[in-house]
Amino acid sequence: GAVVSQHPSWVICKSGTSVKIECRSLDFQATTMFWYRQFPKQSLMLMATSNEGSKATYEQGVEKDKFLINHASLTLSTLTVTSAHPEDSSFYICSARSLAGGSYNEQFFGPGTRLTVL
Amino acid sequence: KNEVEQSPQNLTAQEGEFITINCSYSVGISALHWLQQHPGGGIVSLFMLSSGKKKHGRLIATINIQEKHSSLHITASHPRDSAVYICAVVWGNFGNEKLTFGTGTRLTIIP
Repeated sequence: GAVVSQHPSWVICKSGTSVKIECRSLDFQATTMFWYRQFPKQSLMLMATSNEGSKATYEQGVEKDKFLINHASLTLSTLTVTSAHPEDSSFYICSARSLAGGSYNEQFFGPGTRLTVL
Repeated sequence: KNEVEQSPQNLTAQEGEFITINCSYSVGISALHWLQQHPGGGIVSLFMLSSGKKKHGRLIATINIQEKHSSLHITASHPRDSAVYICAVVWGNFGNEKLTFGTGTRLTIIP
């Protein structure tokens, strides 16, 4: 199957700093990328959907000024957590899919990035 | 909104046992994913199916669209199968599909 990578796999930062997480589709062009967040022992929650070349669509309750998403190319999307606080500590997962044909195309998940804010 | 329920929430079994994990949802879907998440957090996609049955090695996934239900089976379970298994349903209009995740089933296989 298609491969999606994330970088870094884990990051520890001080409160107030910004952290950028990259999501790359390695062997296909991803017209759409999704960012999810997972708290311990909870399920994944969609944060935002980004389509290449356009602004991301954020889910209700997700602050777009805090979680900046850029999807400038068909293989790369970035999530920047600005002015991070300890409550932002979480596991962030991206997924990517291409949109082709007349049926739903599978989402391929990245391995995730564990963010710890001190 | 699509309500997704998984059962059981936790499952402990002896090595070699046949495992079944269930997923039910409330709204018609276009597809369903079965995902595996290991303790380190990384997610692996096991299956995506929209009808019938798929098999990969010791894993089998089935879906009944009319009953809004899917099952994941593991034959000859092994300790390395210990992980959290998550179903995720795909629903909504084409091009604007949503993914709703179940809360996961934590599987522990004892040697």
